[in-house]
Amino acid sequence: NAGVTQTPKFQVLKTGQSMTLQCAQDMNHEYMSWYRQDPGMGLRLIHYSVGAGITDQGEVPNGYNVSRSTTEDFPLRLLSAAPSQTSVYFCASSANREGAEQYFGPGTRLTVT
Amino acid sequence: AQTVTQSQPEMSVQEAETVTLSCTYDTSESDYYLFWYKQPPSRQMILVIRQEAYKQQNATENRFSVNFQKAAKSFSLKISDSQLGDAAMYFCAFRAWGQKVTFGTGTKLQVIP
Repeated sequence: NAGVTQTPKFQVLKTGQSMTLQCAQDMNHEYMSWYRQDPGMGLRLIHYSVGAGITDQGEVPNGYNVSRSTTEDFPLRLLSAAPSQTSVYFCASSANREGAEQYFGPGTRLTVT
Repeated sequence: AQTVTQSQPEMSVQEAETVTLSCTYDTSESDYYLFWYKQPPSRQMILVIRQEAYKQQNATENRFSVNFQKAAKSFSLKISDSQLGDAAMYFCAFRAWGQKVTFGTGTKLQVIP
């Protein structure tokens, strides 16, 4: 099993550009989520999904879109990149039960200039 | 909405000594899980330990143990015989059935040789 994969590992964007961060898991997990990690702010939830076709907003959804057309994939789209979106982004997945361990991808370091 | 608070942004411990990281949370749920995750400099998040709210016995995993005080809504992590490899960010997390995972802001642990 590859676990949770994220691409790309690094990305530099100019303000106003759009892009998609890819996330895929091969563990048949229902629950998937996107976080951003900024110094001193921990992991903040952007969007999450409890199954294919179902998504919901987290704490900081503005400027980001997600979709979940399959169980395996959960892409995160930046619509019009802003310097405030410079961060490290993590995708995670788990079974959809409260005691399930979250499995994290390796992260994407995004810089918006 | 659930909140998770880690009031210690940074901690340090001498190698081979014991350190306790604090976590408090707020919820109206009665059945839930609490987790501690470790993020070493590699950025890869790893589950350290988990505790089910209904279990009175504190969870233990080798040198890692928790002090779970349900009434006080407190969930601290004790690391015994600290090792250099324990140096990392530690995140406390909460999850109730049907709800998203909520993380604290993290505690950076330094281990002094």
